[in-house]
Amino acid sequence: EAGVAQSPRYKIIEKRQSVAFWCNPISGHATLYWYQQILGQGPKLLIQFQNNGVVDDSQLPKDRFSAERLKGVDSTLKIQPAKLEDSAVYLCASSLRGVTRSTDTQYFGPGTRLTVL
Amino acid sequence: QKEVEQDPGPLSVPEGAIVSLNCTYSNSAFQYFMWYRQYSRKGPELLMYTYSSGNKEDGRFTAQVDKSSKYISLFIRDSQPSDSATYLCAMSLPLTGRRALTFGSGTRLQVQP
Repeated sequence: EAGVAQSPRYKIIEKRQSVAFWCNPISGHATLYWYQQILGQGPKLLIQFQNNGVVDDSQLPKDRFSAERLKGVDSTLKIQPAKLEDSAVYLCASSLRGVTRSTDTQYFGPGTRLTVL
Repeated sequence: QKEVEQDPGPLSVPEGAIVSLNCTYSNSAFQYFMWYRQYSRKGPELLMYTYSSGNKEDGRFTAQVDKSSKYISLFIRDSQPSDSATYLCAMSLPLTGRRALTFGSGTRLQVQP
């Protein structure tokens, strides 16, 4: 079974520029998450999709961050304009969204490491 | 106060040692508890998952949950250099609630050969 794919793996941009990340979840996984992991911290949820609908975006800085999941499969996360404090690893995770917690396990991709100069 | 507290380490132990990793949490509504392992420049991978208070064993790994104390632990027996990684505790609400995980900050473990 292929895992969660993310690209690019690394990105360096200047502040105020824009950037986009792509995620392809595990086939058949209805739920998709984007997490932000700042160096030395645990991942923090940015947004959760169920199929192509947003379930939770309460911690997404909506003035600069946007995300979409067209057709309920791939997802893109965009930052515009980027700030220095956006330097982090952006992790995508997916899960089946089963009725039991064991089938709701979140599987993570390798992440995109963003450096904002 | 953070919802989940975890000692960042680093924790350095000799090969073969027993390792104890711990987290405390403040939200009594958390019902599911997980341990993820994260190698450098990789995404987190699930190691252990527990639901109720008590112990759960899987090979060299034992997860322990004490809901009354809001305290969870991961024990690694016969630690190996390949266990060197950052260990993240994570927890979530009941299935009817928010499904996103709340993570600790991670403990960096180094197992010396």
